[in-house]
Amino acid sequence: TQLLEQSPQFLSIQEGENLTVYCNSSSVFSSLQWYRQEPGEGPVLLVTVVTGGEVKKLKRLTFQFGDARKDSSLHITAAQPGDTGLYLCAGFRGGSTLGRLYFGRGTQLTVWP
Amino acid sequence: GAGVSQSPSNKVTEKGKDVELRCDPISGHTALYWYRQSLGQGLEFLIYFQGNSAPDKSGLPSDRFSAERTGGSVSTLTIQRTQQEDSAVYLCASSLVSKNTDTQYFGPGTRLTVL
Repeated sequence: TQLLEQSPQFLSIQEGENLTVYCNSSSVFSSLQWYRQEPGEGPVLLVTVVTGGEVKKLKRLTFQFGDARKDSSLHITAAQPGDTGLYLCAGFRGGSTLGRLYFGRGTQLTVWP
Repeated sequence: GAGVSQSPSNKVTEKGKDVELRCDPISGHTALYWYRQSLGQGLEFLIYFQGNSAPDKSGLPSDRFSAERTGGSVSTLTIQRTQQEDSAVYLCASSLVSKNTDTQYFGPGTRLTVL
């Protein structure tokens, strides 16, 4: 059973479109991270959100942490082919599991020119 | 600077054989993590080491899996009597410390195929 449910699993869109990826759980997380992974490489951290309700922007990417710290979303505005990749959400629960990251299954995004 | 490196990059083995996967973390990073990524799945936590503390082995799927970290640096993940379901990409990551805002830096992974 996945602690973090990510949706959609696949997303195929045209350049210039907007999209949102969701990461949901019934558990509370002390922080949540979003990673991007390219084929043959390890994931690379995009952002960490810590406070419930927090919104962070990274150029055309907007990340939001839910008020109850159980969910998060990634919104991409005007997607470009260079945004293509596997997007993974991951969360820390803290306490005795300090340091252990729980990952969602990922969203494979393809942006067509 | 040098990132996390893993070797080998690819490993093909026969069912029942033992394999060793190596991870060289970023110098100075006290925390080291192993994950497994199967096709269509996210990353599955296996084990993590933090300094001299006892490792958190709670993610190891069976007693055929073990890992050690020598001298607080290099780590080896060993899989004994490999099975076909062990086929996956094994990823290693390291971080400065182990806290909930820390950045984990991942290596490129070792792709293990068990025939």
